[in-house]
Amino acid sequence: NAGVTQTPKFRILKIGQSMTLQCTQDMNHNYMYWYRQDPGMGLKLIYYSVGAGITDKGEVPNGYNVSRSTTEDFPLRLELAAPSQTSVYFCCTEGEGETQYFGPGTRLLVL
Amino acid sequence: RKEVEQDPGPFNVPEGATVAFNCTYSNSASQSFFWYRQDCRKEPKLLMSVYSSGNEDGRFTAQLNRASQYISLLIRDSKLSDSATYLCVVNMRSSASKIIFGSGTRLSIRP
Repeated sequence: NAGVTQTPKFRILKIGQSMTLQCTQDMNHNYMYWYRQDPGMGLKLIYYSVGAGITDKGEVPNGYNVSRSTTEDFPLRLELAAPSQTSVYFCCTEGEGETQYFGPGTRLLVL
Repeated sequence: RKEVEQDPGPFNVPEGATVAFNCTYSNSASQSFFWYRQDCRKEPKLLMSVYSSGNEDGRFTAQLNRASQYISLLIRDSKLSDSATYLCVVNMRSSASKIIFGSGTRLSIRP
């Protein structure tokens, strides 16, 4: 099992550009989450999904959008990139015992 | 006041030493507690869950004090490979959006 995979690993965007961060899981978990982690800070929840077709906002959703058309995929969309969105983005699923399984992360730099 | 607070460290201890960190949480309705480990430039990974009665996994002991609203992690006979950031995680379990990560305690083990 690959677990949780994220692409790309690293990306540089110009201000105003858009992009989609991909997240795929093969563990058949219903709950999926997107977090961002800034240096020296904890993980902040951007969006989450409790199953296909259901998404909801987390703590810091502004500037982002998500969709969940299948159990496996949970892409995160940035429409108009801003320097404040420079961060490391982690996708994760929740499995048995509330364990969170993280992808390897996407490092995003907005210049 | 932050919902989950940790001493950021760094804790710099010699190999073989015993080291302990605490994590305090503000919401008494919090129900589940975990310690995650995050290596530099990597994703967080579950270290151990924290049970009300306390639990041990090899050199690691986790404890929960509901009255004082803190959890602790004790590492005995520390190894160089224990160097990492340790994240405290609190789950209110009332909704998926109530999983709160602490900002982490950095531990560095020196030879």
